Amino acid sequence: DAKTTQPTSMDCAEGRAANLPCNHSTISGNEYVYWYRQIHSQGPQYIIHGLKNNETNEMASLIITEDRKSSTLILPHATLRDTAVYYCIVRMGSNYKLTFGKGTLLTVNP
Amino acid sequence: DSGVTQTPKHLITATGQRVTLRCSPRSGDLSVYWYQQSLDQGLQFLIHYYNGEERAKGNILERFSAQQFPDLHSELNLSSLELGDSALYFCASSVGSGGNYGYTFGSGTRLTVV
Repeated sequence: DAKTTQPTSMDCAEGRAANLPCNHSTISGNEYVYWYRQIHSQGPQYIIHGLKNNETNEMASLIITEDRKSSTLILPHATLRDTAVYYCIVRMGSNYKLTFGKGTLLTVNP
Repeated sequence: DSGVTQTPKHLITATGQRVTLRCSPRSGDLSVYWYQQSLDQGLQFLIHYYNGEERAKGNILERFSAQQFPDLHSELNLSSLELGDSALYFCASSVGSGGNYGYTFGSGTRLTVV
């Protein structure tokens, strides 16, 4: 699976959009981009995933660049409960394993 | 409630002992994955079962073993416990054996070895 690079930490004001970047410059054509988050010591929570096209669900939007070398997770209206570590993971569809890196600690401030 | 049930939530035991962690996957999910999260190692993949069969192994120690039963619940057995085995152990489940699926994680078992 391709390696990902994320900032160690980010801050966001409550009610504002949180934009979390991820670099995956070595991604191959059949690898998906997944986002999970982990709120302090809870089990990781699946957020969204995509292959080429931008995706949106009730939690977030995923924007993947045309060359697929980077992506951005967007939380449109961040709340205090969105404070968590966010993991960007690149995985082949045939690979069972999710490999977690260190992720980005997003702190939403009042 | 994610639908993935892990028991017990907390476990304190002594070095050298053996423990069993249990996971019930979300209804309809055939795959079960085990992960270990310690302070210095982050989330580490241990093992994956699909419909009762082992499909992939990660950084799982020989002192650890797992199985998935016909009713699809899974158990992770940890033996000859050492202080360094203290960690959060998460179970996750998914519908398929890979592919375009997100995983659903349980709330974990916190193991403390004293």
